[in-house]
Amino acid sequence: DVKVTQSSRYLVKRTGEKVFLECVQDMDHENMFWYRQDPGLGLRLIYFSYDVKMKEKGDIPEGYSVSREKKERFSLILESASTNQTSMYLCASSLDSTYEQYFGPGTRLTVT
Amino acid sequence: GNSVTQMEGPVTLSEEAFLTINCTYTATGYPSLFWYVQYPGEGLQLLLKATKADDKGSNKGFEATYRKETTSFHLEKGSVQVSDSAVYFCARDDRGSTLGRLYFGRGTQLTVWP
Repeated sequence: DVKVTQSSRYLVKRTGEKVFLECVQDMDHENMFWYRQDPGLGLRLIYFSYDVKMKEKGDIPEGYSVSREKKERFSLILESASTNQTSMYLCASSLDSTYEQYFGPGTRLTVT
Repeated sequence: GNSVTQMEGPVTLSEEAFLTINCTYTATGYPSLFWYVQYPGEGLQLLLKATKADDKGSNKGFEATYRKETTSFHLEKGSVQVSDSAVYFCARDDRGSTLGRLYFGRGTQLTVWP
C-alpha cells in the first residue's frame, strides 16, 4: 500500500515564525502536492511538484514556498507565518501515469 | 474558477436511507472523474473513479456513472450506514496537462443518524 506521511498531526506556531511542514511518500511517485483545507472552501492547491527540484504554483501560492530535494520528500515552507495561514494542510502524491492521488493524514496548523 | 461543482451540504440522513450527492464538471475533452472520501480526522482516500463516458465506478456500495451528455458524476448509495458519515469530494483530472493535478469540488458533509 502507498503510504504518505506528514511530520506532525498538530502544530502550533507564533506569528512571524518560519514553519516547515514535511511530507514523505514511499512509492516512488513522481508527483507531489500540497493543499490547504478550510471549512466551506474545500481543498485548495498551494504548490505541486512533478520531479525533483521542479515545482509549479497552484491556486494559492502566496505566502508559501516549497522544496523537493529528493523524490520521496516534499516540504512546504511558511516563511513568516500569519494567522490567516491557520488551516489543515494535506499532502498527496501520484504516479506520473495516473491521476489518482494518495493523501497523508494532514497537519492541523494553528498560528497564534 | 472551480471547474467541479458539487451540492452543498451538510446532508443529514437516517440509516438505510438513499443517498445522492450531485457533481457536475466543466472541462475540455473527457477527463477522468473521481470521488474521494474523508473520514473524521483522516486524509482523503479514493472511493471510486471512472475514466471514460458511461463507465460506472463502484466501491463499498457507492456508485457513480460518468455522463458526458450532462457532464455529471453523481454519487449514489442505496442504503447508507452510520459509518458512511464523512466528507465526500468530487474531482476531475487535468487532461490538458501532463502535470497530474486534480480539480476538487468543495466537499459535501454527510451525517448519518442511527
